[in-house]
Amino acid sequence: DAGVTQSPTHLIKTRGQQVTLRCSPKSGHDTVSWYQQALGQGPQFIFQYYEEEERQRGNFPDRFSGHQFPNYSSELNVNALLLGDSALYLCASSPGQGRFLYFGPGTRLTVL
Amino acid sequence: AQRVTQPEKLLSVFKGAPVELKCNYSYSGSPELFWYVQYSRQRLQLLLRHISRESIKGFTADLNKGETSFHLKKPFAQEEDSAMYYCALRETSGSRLTFGEGTQLTVNP
Repeated sequence: DAGVTQSPTHLIKTRGQQVTLRCSPKSGHDTVSWYQQALGQGPQFIFQYYEEEERQRGNFPDRFSGHQFPNYSSELNVNALLLGDSALYLCASSPGQGRFLYFGPGTRLTVL
Repeated sequence: AQRVTQPEKLLSVFKGAPVELKCNYSYSGSPELFWYVQYSRQRLQLLLRHISRESIKGFTADLNKGETSFHLKKPFAQEEDSAMYYCALRETSGSRLTFGEGTQLTVNP
């Protein structure tokens, strides 16, 4: 089991563009959470998906949206990119909205 | 709103010395506290959680509700302990984690 996988590893975009990040959860996990980690900061919760629905959301604007597929994989979409969206985006999976999160390696997004 | 504070961004100790990474939290309910660790070029991983009251890699952490603290301790630091450590809080309802800003621990030979 490769654990939680994320793609792409790195991404460079320009302001105003849109981006899609992908995550495959650990085998046996059905819940996916997304976190944003700015440089020098701790991860910040964006939202969580379970049973293909957004269950919890952090303090992020509507430009941040997501989706979960029947195979439990998930996408994070960010529209109208701002320079401040540059960060490491972490995906974490868990079984049944459980408390034990397994993190992926992250996608490094740079907005120019 | 909940908040986790790690007052030290950087902490440097010598091998064999005791180490304590501080974590304070604010939350109106009954939280669950965790320590996560990120070694160089590795992903973020769970180190320990307060409800298990276990020792992992020689590290322990006790939840002090009176002082709203969850400090991480190890009596004898090892070079392989060098890493970024994050304290995190889970609310009573839901599974979202609130993280502190992290402490970079360096254990010198």
